[in-house]
Amino acid sequence: KAGVTQTPRYLIKTRGQQVTLSCSPISGHRSVSWYQQTPGQGLQFLFEYFSETQRNKGNFPGRFSGRQFSNSRSEMNVSTLELGDSALYLCASRRQSTDTQYFGPGTRLTVL
Amino acid sequence: AQSVTQPDIHITVSEGASLELRCNYSYGATPYLFWYVQSPGQGLQLLLKYFSGDTLVQGIKGFEAEFKRSQSSFNLRKPSVHWSDAAEYFCAVAVTSGTYKYIFGTGTRLKVLA
Repeated sequence: KAGVTQTPRYLIKTRGQQVTLSCSPISGHRSVSWYQQTPGQGLQFLFEYFSETQRNKGNFPGRFSGRQFSNSRSEMNVSTLELGDSALYLCASRRQSTDTQYFGPGTRLTVL
Repeated sequence: AQSVTQPDIHITVSEGASLELRCNYSYGATPYLFWYVQSPGQGLQLLLKYFSGDTLVQGIKGFEAEFKRSQSSFNLRKPSVHWSDAAEYFCAVAVTSGTYKYIFGTGTRLKVLA
């Protein structure tokens, strides 16, 4: 069974631009969560989607948004990029019936 | 508030030596606990998990962890470290009341000396 996939793996943007990251969960997994990883703040929860609905959101500004499609694939969007948004963005999926999240390889976003 | 503490930021061990990485959590309910490993530039790979039952949990790559409720700890151990174990290790607790998310510790970076 294929794991969680994230595209693109690397991204370079400039301040003020917006970016969209994509995540395809493991087949059969209906929940997708996003995390931001930075050296200073560590791993922080962004939001979780289940059946196209956002179920929970972390403490991030409204510039961070996401959505989930009917095939469970998810996208995350960051508008008006700031230098501090440079990070590794990790996506994780899980089946509803279990509580183990499986992570993708991440998207490395660099904001210049 | 829920939290996870990994008191050791860096640990260096010699290849073949034993390893113990510490993790303490703060969570009011019965915790779901996890250890993940991250190699440079990679995502997180699940090593093992504890939901309930036997407090000694076996994982992949020869790792094990012991849940001690009285000490709010979930320490990761390996009897003999291999050079390929050099990576960063994260402990996490799943918050399940009203929502579902992981709270991660700050990680422990393991260096293995040949």
